[in-house]
Amino acid sequence: DVKVTQSSRYLVKRTGEKVFLECVQDMDHENMFWYRQDPGLGLRLIYFSYDVKMKEKGDIPEGYSVSREKKERFSLILESASTNQTSMYLCASSLWGVQYFGAGTRLSVL
Amino acid sequence: KQEVTQIPAALSVPEGENLVLNCSFTDSAIYNLQWFRQDPGKGLTSLLLIQSSQREQTSGRLNASLDKSSGRSTLYIAASQPGDSATYLCAARGSGGSNYKLTFGKGTLLTVNP
Repeated sequence: DVKVTQSSRYLVKRTGEKVFLECVQDMDHENMFWYRQDPGLGLRLIYFSYDVKMKEKGDIPEGYSVSREKKERFSLILESASTNQTSMYLCASSLWGVQYFGAGTRLSVL
Repeated sequence: KQEVTQIPAALSVPEGENLVLNCSFTDSAIYNLQWFRQDPGKGLTSLLLIQSSQREQTSGRLNASLDKSSGRSTLYIAASQPGDSATYLCAARGSGGSNYKLTFGKGTLLTVNP
């Protein structure tokens, strides 16, 4: 079974803090993705990576950056968290077009 | 730009009923279409994936169909059970240069009443 693990289920941070969301997959997938999910807006792609050290902006990259130093790990970074970044963050990895998701991290920025 | 729409946004049915969830997409040049299930506060679980060359896929009580020419996919659930209650999302993968990306619908919230 494919396993995509997000390091935290719930996070509470303060405005202006630097926040790291970590995602690890155990299936040697090349492609990894970060989404955020908000009521009424659905899932929106923030960034994706198709190989180590390779990344591409998704639909809403503003305010975020990513890091992929190793194949199995894809990190989402909020350089200076803001209240409008309160959301559910979902990580996924894919092989042959099928995306496998982690359990999600619910981030609250106060 | 691909847009994916799911109708209805919410559906409530009695246990045992057969039901159909609808998904439409504006750009028929897709690589595949994937159906997911999401339980409250959880991540997404992949249910079925249909390649662009396929018409349907089946898994247990679930059957997904794809009609590229009309820009539609349906998810059929037979003999629904309370455990089927969840949000169902469809997502289309583009066939162009950035074909890693999925475009998601906003989902249909299904409630199956005992």
